[in-house]
Amino acid sequence: EPEVTQTPSHQVTQMGQEVILRCVPISNHLYFYWYRQILGQKVEFLVSFYNNEISEKSEIFDDQFSVERPDGSNFTLKIRSTKLEDSAMYFCASSDEAPTEAFFGQGTRLTVV
Amino acid sequence: KQEVTQIPAALSVPEGENLVLNCSFTDSAIYNLQWFRQDPGKGLTSLLLIQSSQREQTSGRLNASLDKSSGRSTLYIAASQPGDSATYLCAVESNTGKLIFGQGTTLQVKP
Repeated sequence: EPEVTQTPSHQVTQMGQEVILRCVPISNHLYFYWYRQILGQKVEFLVSFYNNEISEKSEIFDDQFSVERPDGSNFTLKIRSTKLEDSAMYFCASSDEAPTEAFFGQGTRLTVV
Repeated sequence: KQEVTQIPAALSVPEGENLVLNCSFTDSAIYNLQWFRQDPGKGLTSLLLIQSSQREQTSGRLNASLDKSSGRSTLYIAASQPGDSATYLCAVESNTGKLIFGQGTTLQVKP
């Protein structure tokens, strides 16, 4: 069964460092999303991406964040200069159209120390 | 601004019991509502999607209903099993595909 895969599963980084979280969406999907979940809190929308551009972003998604689809299979989230409060589980999701059922990856736990 | 609330926050039941999880949302202008399961430290597994034109969806022992006008959805789990223990998340979907999540109901089913 097709699935969304995320790497790495856990990343520890020092405050101020840049991190790139990677996702491989389901192959025929066209809409891509990043969400995050700070420990004990709700899952929050960060950004959606379609046709090689951001279609919507939340107020959390400031200039420190960027997304890219560098090739036909990967979808990445970059955090330029990590802060302690960026520590969270980051989920990638994809769908074949919008709105419709979204499929989520297993997440990357980012720990900023 | 859309807000999604889930009640109760936590629930503990003996095995075999039928149970209902509740989800409410403030803005009825939704496209879909999706229920997810999340195991500790893991990703989100989609359980059921209800389109805004539908009243309910069923999958195995799970049945989800949607009353868009009153801003409510319920997830009914029949004959609960210890393997059902997890956090259940409700999310409403806008026309752009963005999901807004509730805080979840953590379910424990005791053998």
